Amino acid sequence: QTVVTQEPSLTVSPGGTVTLTCAPSTGATTNCHYPNWFQQKPGQPPTTLVYRTNNKHSWTPARFSGSLLGGKAALTLSGVQPEDEGDYYCVLLCDGDWVFGGGTKLTVL
Amino acid sequence: QVRLVQSGSEVKRPGASVKVSCKASGYIFRNYGIGWVRQAPGQGPEWMGWINGRDGHTNYPQKFQGRVTLTRDTSTSTAYMELSSLTSDDTAVYFCARDYDFTWDTWGQGALVTVSS
Repeated sequence: QTVVTQEPSLTVSPGGTVTLTCAPSTGATTNCHYPNWFQQKPGQPPTTLVYRTNNKHSWTPARFSGSLLGGKAALTLSGVQPEDEGDYYCVLLCDGDWVFGGGTKLTVL
Repeated sequence: QVRLVQSGSEVKRPGASVKVSCKASGYIFRNYGIGWVRQAPGQGPEWMGWINGRDGHTNYPQKFQGRVTLTRDTSTSTAYMELSSLTSDDTAVYFCARDYDFTWDTWGQGALVTVSS
């Protein structure tokens, strides 16, 4: 069973830049594809920000960007706003199953 | 606009089954799949499976095979998720989401299922 790892928590200052990463367990890298990134606020459903590594939906703010960094999926926030505080989850398609990461709690302070 | 509206909260006894509905509007239902994801309190999301809106083909992760059944009714543009043999570990918010192009672009509001004796 593939495990997907994210940073448990990150803190960033308003206006700053932060990168979140998402990596499958060792040995599963080549079997995992199509990373998606979601933002979730308390009591709300997730909002999909980025799909297929670096594609944005029409509602995704320009300050969010997806990429691959050293074999990991990455979500970079440039010019962080206070409203970006929340939980961020990635998901990978691994051997036909979607596997979510444990999530990153982003604090804007 | 595209919307997914789910059924309301449920309280079930251990061993029972629950069926959650997800009514779609604002798009051609048969042209997209529906994915199901659950989220236990304080936990991350967990994928439960997918159903093809056109032909009803399903895909379930091994963890849920035999316990989850996804169906859809194209005449009412509604997808259903039924989970059987409930335990307290199944207490969670259950979400449906429109599936296409290896992403989920629209989410339902979620349905809380509480399993308690």
